[in-house]
Amino acid sequence: AQKVTQAQTEISVVEKEDVTLDCVYETRDTTYYLFWYKQPPSGELVFLIRRNSFDEQNEISGRYSWNFQKSTSSFNFTITASQVVDSAVYFCALSLTGNQFYFGTGTSLTVIP
Amino acid sequence: DTGVSQDPRHKITKRGQNVTFRCDPISEHNRLYWYRQTLGQGPEFLTYFQNEAQLEKSRLLSDRFSAERPKGSFSTLEIQRTEQGDSAMYLCASSFTGLAASDTQYFGPGTRLTVL
Repeated sequence: AQKVTQAQTEISVVEKEDVTLDCVYETRDTTYYLFWYKQPPSGELVFLIRRNSFDEQNEISGRYSWNFQKSTSSFNFTITASQVVDSAVYFCALSLTGNQFYFGTGTSLTVIP
Repeated sequence: DTGVSQDPRHKITKRGQNVTFRCDPISEHNRLYWYRQTLGQGPEFLTYFQNEAQLEKSRLLSDRFSAERPKGSFSTLEIQRTEQGDSAMYLCASSFTGLAASDTQYFGPGTRLTVL
């Protein structure tokens, strides 16, 4: 069975602090894809990143970085120098080759000015 | 380049009524997905289409739920005899299937259903 766990339900940080959102996944498949999506208060899910199971390279995009570790089945997301506009719910998701997405329950991030 | 659109954005209905939602995917995308999202939860996969073929429907919540994509473009999701437990956000997503087995899904704004 597939499962995505986001243990942090809510996080609050002060603007300019760094914050890491945790994601742990479970699957027995060797080929899979991991995603992060942002859901701002407006409600629309915004794609942030996709990673396949064969690519463990970490990725940086501006203030965002992702740390993929197969050994611990984790795909964590770090926001550096957080801003108020980063306030949203962030979802981690797992997809197998059948294209079905399995989402975590999300982490609600509040950045306090 | 327009994104995924959904109509209506909000729907209020009485228990027992039928409702239908529409999703228009990104124009060149061949796959279309439906999800349900309840408060405080992540989206829950319901079904998906590749062109007009419905490739997975076992996760539709009950036989009151059905979806169509007759011409491989827009799709509709129908809920018959609505129940209060059907109140949720219904999300549509689309993707283009290329060489990668699992391409990125782009989501619409959702339709919020309230069943009274």
